[in-house]
Amino acid sequence: AQSVAQPEDQVNVAEGNPLTVKCTYSVSGNPYLFWYVQYPNRGLQFLLKYITGDNLVKGSYGFEAEFNKSQTSFHLKKPSALVSDSALYFCAVRDMGTGGFKTIFGAGTRLFVKA
Amino acid sequence: EPEVTQTPSHQVTQMGQEVILRCVPISNHLYFYWYRQILGQKVEFLVSFYNNEISEKSEIFDDQFSVERPDGSNFTLKIRSTKLEDSAMYFCASREQGAISYEQYFGPGTRLTVT
Repeated sequence: AQSVAQPEDQVNVAEGNPLTVKCTYSVSGNPYLFWYVQYPNRGLQFLLKYITGDNLVKGSYGFEAEFNKSQTSFHLKKPSALVSDSALYFCAVRDMGTGGFKTIFGAGTRLFVKA
Repeated sequence: EPEVTQTPSHQVTQMGQEVILRCVPISNHLYFYWYRQILGQKVEFLVSFYNNEISEKSEIFDDQFSVERPDGSNFTLKIRSTKLEDSAMYFCASREQGAISYEQYFGPGTRLTVT
């Protein structure tokens, strides 16, 4: 079964500092990995995805993620955090095992960026 | 930019009542999904729908739940007899036909409160 794990419930970082939100995955076959962000009282917004190719994937709002096959990780990164980046971040994987190809989400990591 | 829309944004209902949550997926998308997020918890898959039939459903999606695409634009989730534990944020998502790596686009959600 496909799954993702986000080991941190919360990440705190100062504005201007680099941020990392961790994610590890467990899949059979090649993984299709995604990051989504959820702002308060809002829906889920797609940030980026890894399908194949370069291990460093660039996405929206200056975010990027690094796919590491040997460590089965897909950490989300940003070189310089903004207060407005404070939100709930979900790592996700596409379930390839069933016809619906649903998205399986991690538990989420809440990011706090302090001014 | 096209987006998934959902109505209502907030629905309050009494236990045992029927509710219908409505979604308008992106117009050229052919795969439709419902997910839910109980407050403070992870996003969980409920059901996927393609070619006018359910392609996959989770164990959460029991006989109290049903989905329908009544016309060419709407996609609905019905809960026949709501329970307190159905209180959650319900997200609709859609995906275009083609590569299964394509991201799902999520609506803003409907917050369902069962009293």
